Amino acid sequence: KQEVTQIPAALSVPEGENLVLNCSFTDSAIYNLQWFRQDPGKGLTSLLLIQSSQREQTSGRLNASLDKSSGRSTLYIAASQPGDSATYLCAVRANTGNQFYFGTGTSLTVIP
Amino acid sequence: DADVTQTPRNRITKTGKRIMLECSQTKGHDRMYWYRQDPGLGLRLIYYSFDVKDINKGEISDGYSVSRQAQAKFSLSLESAIPNQTALYFCATSDPTGGNTEAFFGQGTRLTVV
Repeated sequence: KQEVTQIPAALSVPEGENLVLNCSFTDSAIYNLQWFRQDPGKGLTSLLLIQSSQREQTSGRLNASLDKSSGRSTLYIAASQPGDSATYLCAVRANTGNQFYFGTGTSLTVIP
Repeated sequence: DADVTQTPRNRITKTGKRIMLECSQTKGHDRMYWYRQDPGLGLRLIYYSFDVKDINKGEISDGYSVSRQAQAKFSLSLESAIPNQTALYFCATSDPTGGNTEAFFGQGTRLTVV
């Protein structure tokens, strides 16, 4: 079974800092990897989707990378803002089987 | 309007009661999923459906049942609710055409079983 781990579980940074969130997975046979943002008590908002053949995806201040062979993905957030405070989840979709496997998330707090 | 809508958003029910959570989507996706989220455990798959005639169990299906009434509607039922089913429940959709398979989630239903 695919295991997805996110480190750190919580992170607190001052506004303006660049930061990196990590996601690792045990089975490199993935179809794609997706990063989500979750605000307290709310649903999941898709941030970036990386197909298995891609190395990275960018959207605004966000950049996600994927190293399938080592089972790792990172989400880079540039010039962090208080509005970035949320929990960030990564999910991988296996080549076989039909579900997304989620990490437990990194809770980010950006201090003004 | 949201692409994936869940009702109710919050529900408190008593142990032993039957409860249904509903999900509807306007994205035209064939694939629909039900997940539950518990603190420290992440999201876990309960059931998924690839079309109206296709229903599959996920990793934690015991105590739950589902109904795919139409392409756009996927309901989750707790036949006899118990306190450890207290959780945040999410419905999701995805569309594999074009190789994308990006997942889209509803806003969640917070269920409390007392």
